Order: sequence, then structure tokens, then C-alpha cells
Amino acid sequence: GESVGLHLPTLSVQEGDNSIINCAYSNSASDYFIWYKQESGKGPQFIIDIRSNMDKRQGQRVTVLLNKTVKHLSLQIAATQPGDSAVYFCAPTGSGNTGKLIFGQGTTLQVKP
Amino acid sequence: NAGVTQTPKFQVLKTGQSMTLQCAQDMNHEYMSWYRQDPGMGLRLIHYSVGAGITDQGEVPNGYNVSRSTTEDFPLRLLSAAPSQTSVYFCASSYEMNTEAFFGQGTRLTVV
Repeated sequence: GESVGLHLPTLSVQEGDNSIINCAYSNSASDYFIWYKQESGKGPQFIIDIRSNMDKRQGQRVTVLLNKTVKHLSLQIAATQPGDSAVYFCAPTGSGNTGKLIFGQGTTLQVKP
Repeated sequence: NAGVTQTPKFQVLKTGQSMTLQCAQDMNHEYMSWYRQDPGMGLRLIHYSVGAGITDQGEVPNGYNVSRSTTEDFPLRLLSAAPSQTSVYFCASSYEMNTEAFFGQGTRLTVV
């Protein structure tokens, strides 16, 4: 079946440093990838997405990199702030999927002041 | 604009009781889904629907029933609650199957 894995369950960074959160996926038919952020006590919220015809997409302080060859994507957060503390999920999906939006376990980002 | 609304926010049930978790969205989204979230387990898909009248099972469907009679509503039913169903439940909706999902605020369910 499909699987989504993040490389580290917890990532601790110093405020102001850059953060990199990794995600591996198994379904080679996935062609659309979304990153979600979940703050404590809330539901996940969309951060940024990328389609398979791209290998990099930038937002405000966030960049997503996609390597389809090894089925890996990463979320980079520049100048990490205390408000970035949350659980981050990647969700691969796309036309090749069966309609099931599958999430991995998530990576908890802790920002130290 | 309410988005995705879940009720109740908190619920305590006794083993064997039944209840329905409500989910409603006002964005005219076709795709709706239910997840449960347990510590260290991430979000696991319970059931999903690609449109009114159509539902299908996710990763962990046992013990849960769903129906989709309207585009707006997607209730999740627990017929006989078990302690293993203690969890936080999230409902989500999206315009299409493979687009950004919008989540509700969650229902924290405790079964004693």
C-alpha cells in the first residue's frame, strides 16, 4: 500500500536558524504534494504545494524541494521563528492516487529561543 | 465564511454507547474525509467521500460508519464505542480529490 514517512519525528532548532523537514513517499504515481502545518489544538493548515513538473517552489520563508527520482521532498523554513513551532505533515496525492489522502506521522518542529 | 465545522468539540462516552460526530462544510466541496489522530501515529484516514451518495474506506475503517446524503454534511458514526476509539477526530474537505484540504478544529473523544 501507499506509505509516507518523515525522516525525523522531532526537530529542534534555534530561533533564527534554518529548518529542513524531510519526507519520503512510496507511490510513484503521486504528482501533487502538499505540506501542512498543525499547531497545538488545531487542525492542519495548508502551507505550500508543488506539482511534479517542478523541482522547487518558494513561498514566504518556505521552500519545498521535490526529487521524484528518489521519491523525496523537503520543506525548508528560513529564519525559523517561535510561531513555526508545530507538527508538519507532507501529503503526496495526484491523479494516480486512489482518492485516499494519506499523511505520514509528521515531524514536530521545536524552536528554541 | 465558516469553512469546515465539527461538533462537538469534546465528548466523553461509555464503552458500548453510540454517537455521531458531525461535520459540515459551506464551500461546496465534493471531497470530504475523516481522520483520527493518536500520539505518535499521525493522521490516519478512516473514511472518505468523493461526492454525495459515494463513500469508501480509508486505512482504519473498522468500528465507524459514514454516509453522505448531501454535499455539505459528512457525519461519522460510532455504533458501539470502545476505549481504542479514544482519539482526536478531524474532518476535512477539498474542492476535488487531489487539491488542498481544509480541516475542521477537531473533536476530542474519550471512551471510558
